[in-house]
Amino acid sequence: EVQLVESGGGLVQPGGSLRLPCAASGFTVSSNYMNWVRQAPGKGLEWVSVIYAGGSTYFADSVKDRFTISRDNSKNTVYLQMNSLRVEDTAVYYCARSVDTPMVTRYFDLWGRGTLVTVSS
Amino acid sequence: SYELTQPLSVSVALGQTARITCGGNNIGSKNVHWYQQKPGQAPVLVTYRDTNRPSGIPERFSGSNSGNTATLTISGAQAGDEADYYCQVWDSTVVFGGGTKLTVL
Repeated sequence: EVQLVESGGGLVQPGGSLRLPCAASGFTVSSNYMNWVRQAPGKGLEWVSVIYAGGSTYFADSVKDRFTISRDNSKNTVYLQMNSLRVEDTAVYYCARSVDTPMVTRYFDLWGRGTLVTVSS
Repeated sequence: SYELTQPLSVSVALGQTARITCGGNNIGSKNVHWYQQKPGQAPVLVTYRDTNRPSGIPERFSGSNSGNTATLTISGAQAGDEADYYCQVWDSTVVFGGGTKLTVL
């Protein structure tokens, strides 16, 4: 079955760190564009980061220099490393596979169920 | 930065046609994608590249895009279509609309 399963969420204090794994099955993450999209409680969707099949990575301005994205091909897993966390980073974090036409469009055809990250003292 | 504007809520009678709009400057020149999100669940892609439907999505979901408005049309709305709907485009980065809550009466 083709699916994504996120884990690693929880309660963390402001300034803390957290790493979110996203385990894929039914397809190979290294051959795809893999993203993180978040949703603050009661709010809309916000794109966070992408790792391209070639390994390039990009981030939303709101998380740049604080978050990193990586993958472990042997585990078929993508990771979001979140440092210097802020209260406003509180959200459900979804892992999502995207279909990209470079410089033209991107859409998300497969989503995980998400994992909740709460940043609070 | 590019902005997408959606109505906060849309209501439709059971079995009737619902239309959810997504406004943006010259959005007709972009590819628009729509997602359905039910409470407590992840989003699901319902249309992509304006008018295409992924496998498994009912034919009653259709999309259009012209000028400054893209529209998701749900023909013969069912109770199970109650959800939040988000439009999305690419404008040097991923842009989502604010979402529309669809209520089926």
